[in-house]
Amino acid sequence: KAGVTQTPRYLIKTRGQQVTLSCSPISGHRSVSWYQQTPGQGLQFLFEYFSETQRNKGNFPGRFSGRQFSNSRSEMNVSTLELGDSALYLCASSFRGGTEAFFGQGTRLTVV
Amino acid sequence: GESVGLHLPTLSVQEGDNSIINCAYSNSASDYFIWYKQESGKGPQFIIDIRSNMDKRQGQRVTVLLNKTVKHLSLQIAATQPGDSAVYFCAESGNNNDMRFGAGTRLTVKP
Repeated sequence: KAGVTQTPRYLIKTRGQQVTLSCSPISGHRSVSWYQQTPGQGLQFLFEYFSETQRNKGNFPGRFSGRQFSNSRSEMNVSTLELGDSALYLCASSFRGGTEAFFGQGTRLTVV
Repeated sequence: GESVGLHLPTLSVQEGDNSIINCAYSNSASDYFIWYKQESGKGPQFIIDIRSNMDKRQGQRVTVLLNKTVKHLSLQIAATQPGDSAVYFCAESGNNNDMRFGAGTRLTVKP
């Protein structure tokens, strides 16, 4: 069974731009969560989607948004990029959330 | 505030020895705890989990212990191998289905 797939693997953007990251969960998984990982803050929860609805949201500004499609694929968008948004963005899928979650390899975003 | 934290940022062990990685949590409402392993350049990999109604769970070479009285979680790795070198995270989850992660412990296995 294929794992969680995140695209692209690497991105370089300039300040003020926006970016969209994609996550394809494991087949049959309906919950997709997004995390930001930085050396200083560690792994921080962004939001969770389940059946196309945002179910939970972490403590991030409104520039960070996401959505989930009917096939459970999810995208997250960051608008008006700041240097501090440089991080590894990880997506995790699980069958229903709050259970065994599997991570993708992440998208490394660098804002210059 | 509520948090999940690790006692030690680094741990170095000899190949073949047992490793113990500790984690403290403060949210007594958490009912699900997970250990993840993250190797360089990869996403976290699920190792083992435990529900709050249990105090011990064993997997292949790994054991997780949960002490709810002192809000402490530990991961024991038996016969540690070089391939076990990685950063280990504990995470806790409650009713909100979000996972909160500890800072991570870097395990280094010396040959």
